[in-house]
Amino acid sequence: DTAVSQTPKYLVTQMGNDKSIKCEQNLGHDTMYWYKQDSKKFLKIMFSYNNKELIINETVPNRFSPKSPDKAHLNLHINSLELGDSAVYFCASSQGRGRASGELFFGEGSRLTVL
Amino acid sequence: GQNIDQPTEMTATEGAIVQINCTYQTSGFNGLFWYQQHAGEAPTFLSYNVLDGLEEKGRFSSFLSRSKGYSYLLLKELQMKDSASYLCAVRPLRTDKLIFGTGTRLQVFP
Repeated sequence: DTAVSQTPKYLVTQMGNDKSIKCEQNLGHDTMYWYKQDSKKFLKIMFSYNNKELIINETVPNRFSPKSPDKAHLNLHINSLELGDSAVYFCASSQGRGRASGELFFGEGSRLTVL
Repeated sequence: GQNIDQPTEMTATEGAIVQINCTYQTSGFNGLFWYQQHAGEAPTFLSYNVLDGLEEKGRFSSFLSRSKGYSYLLLKELQMKDSASYLCAVRPLRTDKLIFGTGTRLQVFP
């Protein structure tokens, strides 16, 4: 059983379109994250939710909107896609705060290509 | 500001020992983490240091010196499957987010 699963795994779309990526974790964790990994493999946090509450919101364009319907799910919606949005988007989860918050369990990633 | 530096690439031979260094400057410090990422896959957690010293976990060990802002990951008895990127990440104070370095791509040759 996959612990952190995200869909779709691959997404190819045109500039200006709107797309969503979904993430689910069955680990019973309280905290979920979205990270973006660019072509140089740099992994950068975008958002974090703890028990459905937004706790981290990095300097991300407001075209990106996360939504957490419950603590097991965290989705990412992107409006008006731009070429620079092409990257691998990783969902992750962790158990609570403190030390455990640094031990992240990542999903397989969603590779977004904007043409 | 926050800055984490690692070498971009390293190579080593099967059976050897390799040390991957990481230096950091962050606004407060609340733990250093190492992750392994094979090409095309998700990062996986390797180790955690919050106090100075060495943490050993099988073939992998991680060292931390908080006063020097320095850590290393030591991989012993290298295997071909250890070819991967190794990401150093720091958690600043009063936040649960991790700041990742750009990673070190390690290639192990026979």
